[in-house]
Amino acid sequence: EVQLVESGGGSIQPGGSMRLSCAASGFIFRNHWMHWVRQAPGKGLVWISRINSDGSIVNNEDSVEGRFTISRDNAKNTLSLQMSSLRAEDTAVYYCVLEIRGRGNFDYWGQGILVTVSS
Amino acid sequence: EIVLTQSPGTLSLSPGERATLSCRASRSVTSAYLAWYQQKPGQAPRLLIYDASSRATGIPDRFSGSGSGTDFTLTISRLEPEDFAVYYCQHHSQSPEYPFGQGTKLEI
Repeated sequence: EVQLVESGGGSIQPGGSMRLSCAASGFIFRNHWMHWVRQAPGKGLVWISRINSDGSIVNNEDSVEGRFTISRDNAKNTLSLQMSSLRAEDTAVYYCVLEIRGRGNFDYWGQGILVTVSS
Repeated sequence: EIVLTQSPGTLSLSPGERATLSCRASRSVTSAYLAWYQQKPGQAPRLLIYDASSRATGIPDRFSGSGSGTDFTLTISRLEPEDFAVYYCQHHSQSPEYPFGQGTKLEI
């Protein structure tokens, strides 16, 4: 059974930094692209970052480019998102997402973790 | 940049009825990269349909997807109480972009 479990969220002041982690199990982690998708309170879904299977390709959505860094540790089956220069508009539930089919779809989702940026 | 527009914003129906949800792309897109998701309150989204018309693992056959070019449809043939949720369409392009529609709320 695929499991994706996020950790590391919480409340932080504007301008601060936070690191999210996602522990993956139930599939061969090192074989698949992984993503982060976020959802602001009461709003829709927004893709923000992706990383390929070996970590050599990363892409970010424009609003987080230069502030957020996605990475992975295939030995530990862990995906991470390092977030810096956080803004109020970064407040959202962050989902760790597995793309297993390789067709740009989000096949499995973690339960999500809330990040609140507020003074 | 592709924009996906879903309609209606809210759809009010009763169990047993048929639901038809629309997703329109701002320009023609590849059907192979069009997906639909269901999200219930307090839960993560769940993949329902990929490649515009293929059901994901474990998805009941009352859910079906269709369409091509700029117009795509998610149909729920006979609504069950557990189907009342928010539905999102999503596409993937090579830019890379992964735009979502704004969602359709299906309510009783």
